[in-house]
Amino acid sequence: EAGVTQFPSHSVIEKGQTVTLRCDPISGHDNLYWYRRVMGKEIKFLLHFVKESKQDESGMPNNRFLAERTGGTYSTLKVQPAELEDSGVYFCASSQDRITNTEAFFGQGTRLTVV
Amino acid sequence: GQNIDQPTEMTATEGAIVQINCTYQTSGFNGLFWYQQHAGEAPTFLSYNVLDGLEEKGRFSSFLSRSKGYSYLLLKELQMKDSASYLCAVEPYNFNKFYFGSGTKLNVKP
Repeated sequence: EAGVTQFPSHSVIEKGQTVTLRCDPISGHDNLYWYRRVMGKEIKFLLHFVKESKQDESGMPNNRFLAERTGGTYSTLKVQPAELEDSGVYFCASSQDRITNTEAFFGQGTRLTVV
Repeated sequence: GQNIDQPTEMTATEGAIVQINCTYQTSGFNGLFWYQQHAGEAPTFLSYNVLDGLEEKGRFSSFLSRSKGYSYLLLKELQMKDSASYLCAVEPYNFNKFYFGSGTKLNVKP
């Protein structure tokens, strides 16, 4: 069975451009999470979907970030326009149930570099 | 905010035992997790503690003391492949999300 997959693995864009990151969760996992690790810092929560609904988006930095999960399957995270401080590794995770009931599986991450 | 502290880096010898500590100060507590992450790869689940005590899983064990806000991950019979970052994470209350520490980079030398 495929794990959580993220695309692209790396992205280098110029400040002001738009980038869209994609996450394909494990099939059947209703819960999908986005996290981000900025250089030298800890991994931080961005938002959580249950199926297609945003359950918690308290970690989204600002309105330049837009996450969607149409149809409750894959998710996209768009950054528009990108700023230098958006550079980091963006992780997606999925779980069948709550993280205290079932294991959460992470993807390898997308390394975003804004220059 | 949530304060989760763990050492930045540790070095140990192949075949030895190493203990990675994690302390936390969170508003509420619903469970503590340890994840392993090799460079450039996905974090992978190692253990989960919700009650005080020791959880053993092969060469890896994790301990929790809720009253002290303290956990440790114990790795026995270290192998070179154990060189990785070890992430301590807490779920406060019932938020269904992780709050991570900065991670401990473990270097296993021959």
